[in-house]
Amino acid sequence: AQSVTQPDIHITVSEGASLELRCNYSYGATPYLFWYVQSPGQGLQLLLKYFSGDTLVQGIKGFEAEFKRSQSSFNLRKPSVHWSDAAEYFCAVDRGGSNYKLTFGKGTLLTVNP
Amino acid sequence: NAGVTQTPKFRVLKTGQSMTLLCAQDMNHEYMYWYRQDPGMGLRLIHYSVGEGTTAKGEVPDGYNVSRLKKQNFLLGLESAAPSQTSVYFCASSRPSYNEQFFGPGTRLTVL
Repeated sequence: AQSVTQPDIHITVSEGASLELRCNYSYGATPYLFWYVQSPGQGLQLLLKYFSGDTLVQGIKGFEAEFKRSQSSFNLRKPSVHWSDAAEYFCAVDRGGSNYKLTFGKGTLLTVNP
Repeated sequence: NAGVTQTPKFRVLKTGQSMTLLCAQDMNHEYMYWYRQDPGMGLRLIHYSVGEGTTAKGEVPDGYNVSRLKKQNFLLGLESAAPSQTSVYFCASSRPSYNEQFFGPGTRLTVL
């Protein structure tokens, strides 16, 4: 079965530090890949997406993610974290074709210390 | 554009009561979805629709029904609410290509 794993349930970083959130998926073909962010009490907002082409994709709010086929990973990065980045982050996968559904990871909660 | 809107934002029900959650989108999207979000569980798909008049079951459909009579609206019904249905419910919509989903702000439902 298709699954998405976010190994880190909770990450704490200091403001200004770099960030990497991990995401691994289990699916044979290259799926469509997404990162969403959810601020407290809010809905999910799309940060970035990967469909094909350049494996390093840029998103909003200074985030980027790199698709590594050999590792079945799509890790999210930010060089310098701001206090406003504190939120929960979800990786999601769509295997494309006639499958209309996204499979979400369980999320990583990011805390930013001043 | 309002995007995806959900009504109501909050609701408290007693066990056995019924209710309907309304989702509306103004982006002319073909696909619409209902998810529930529970702590530590991420988002789980309840039902989805790939077009007006069509619905399908997702991962956790039991206890819920849906209808898509109009393209812009997707209704989620609870016929007899149970405490296990206490959750935050999100609606989303997308175009047929690439499935980039746009989410509503959520409905927080408590069943006592």
